[in-house]
Amino acid sequence: EVQLLESGGGLVQPGGSLRLSCGASGFTFSSYGMNWVRQAPGKGLEWVSGISGSGGKTNYADSVKGRFTISRDNSKNTLYLQMNSLRVEDTAVYYCAKDKTSTVTYFECWGQGTLVTVSS
Amino acid sequence: DIQMAQSPSSVSASVGDRVTITCRASQAISNWLAWYQQKPGKAPNLLIYATSSLQSGVPSRFSGSGSGTDFTLTISSLQPGDFATYYCQQANSFPYTFGQGTKLEIK
Repeated sequence: EVQLLESGGGLVQPGGSLRLSCGASGFTFSSYGMNWVRQAPGKGLEWVSGISGSGGKTNYADSVKGRFTISRDNSKNTLYLQMNSLRVEDTAVYYCAKDKTSTVTYFECWGQGTLVTVSS
Repeated sequence: DIQMAQSPSSVSASVGDRVTITCRASQAISNWLAWYQQKPGKAPNLLIYATSSLQSGVPSRFSGSGSGTDFTLTISSLQPGDFATYYCQQANSFPYTFGQGTKLEIK
């Protein structure tokens, strides 16, 4: 059974940093692209960033480009999101999500989410 | 960026009803479209991918159709567990984008 477990969320001041982690199990982690998707309180879904199975290709939403960095450690089956220069508008539940196939990004499996609150 | 517009934003229906939700892309996305269901406090769940392919474990009362810019999700006979919010998502190009959601409520 595929399982994804996020951690690292919390309260941070504007301008601060936070690193999210997502531990994966139940599938060959290195064979699948992975993503971060967020949801602000009471709002819809926003794709944040994605990374290929090897880690060699990354993509970002314009809203986080230059501030967030996605990475993965395939030896530890773990996905990361380093978030710097955080803004109030980054407040959201952050989900990690597994690609359905190696060639197209449909979000087949999701973690339970971790809440990031940016506030002074 | 490709914008995804869902309609309606909310709909009220009864158990047993047939419901259709529409998603329109701002440019052609071939069949690179997925539908998700989200219940309060839970992560989204993939229902349909590649416009009309049913994800494993999803009941056959859910179906999808369309191509190009116009897509639909149909629930043939609503069950109590189907009352939730539904999102479409385009997988044609970065950045991947979602519709704003359709909240399906009990009448």
